[in-house]
Amino acid sequence: ETGVTQTPRHLVMGMTNKKSLKCEQHLGHNAMYWYKQSAKKPLELMFVYSLEERVENNSVPSRFSPECPNSSHLFLHLHTLQPEDSALYLCASSREKGTAESPLHFGNGTRLTVT
Amino acid sequence: AQSVAQPEDQVNVAEGNPLTVKCTYSVSGNPYLFWYVQYPNRGLQFLLKYITGDNLVKGSYGFEAEFNKSQTSFHLKKPSALVSDSALYFCAVRAWESSYKLIFGSGTRLLVRP
Repeated sequence: ETGVTQTPRHLVMGMTNKKSLKCEQHLGHNAMYWYKQSAKKPLELMFVYSLEERVENNSVPSRFSPECPNSSHLFLHLHTLQPEDSALYLCASSREKGTAESPLHFGNGTRLTVT
Repeated sequence: AQSVAQPEDQVNVAEGNPLTVKCTYSVSGNPYLFWYVQYPNRGLQFLLKYITGDNLVKGSYGFEAEFNKSQTSFHLKKPSALVSDSALYFCAVRAWESSYKLIFGSGTRLLVRP
């Protein structure tokens, strides 16, 4: 049990589908993150939310749309994805802003395959 | 700009031998350095961090890391490797002024032979 739960664990979707990834943290953290992990590439930071407000967006394509309704939940809405979007999507959380020494706590990820 | 380099894609070591996984970094100001481990089909798990103080930091599962400011390195070490240590290891760095931007290296796969 990592304290950060991601669902689903696996997702296969066509390029015209719309789906959502869900993340929930039970650690009392106030910051949540989406990372993309592709083979042979470093982890890519996609979005950061602090206290439900987006504070970082690394120029991610608009076909990825995050939502953070409260400090415990984070969603990633997907639509009209491309095959190159196939990857492991990792959610993470940490304590509030200003604690640069705070480590991230990761979920086990959603393995996304776009066909 | 912040960056992290892990020069080895894979490290092979026999069980019982010491292991080292290398990491060098580039950051303006004082760095905050982290090591994470990833087992198959799992997310990343925090191992240890360097913030300030003693250059040798100890972490989970018997791992330790040595911070070397002059060489801008933060190598991960363990005196005696276990087969169960086989996994993917990531070094990461964060600068104080950009507290959200945890930049990860490309990862090093550690394979411990029985």
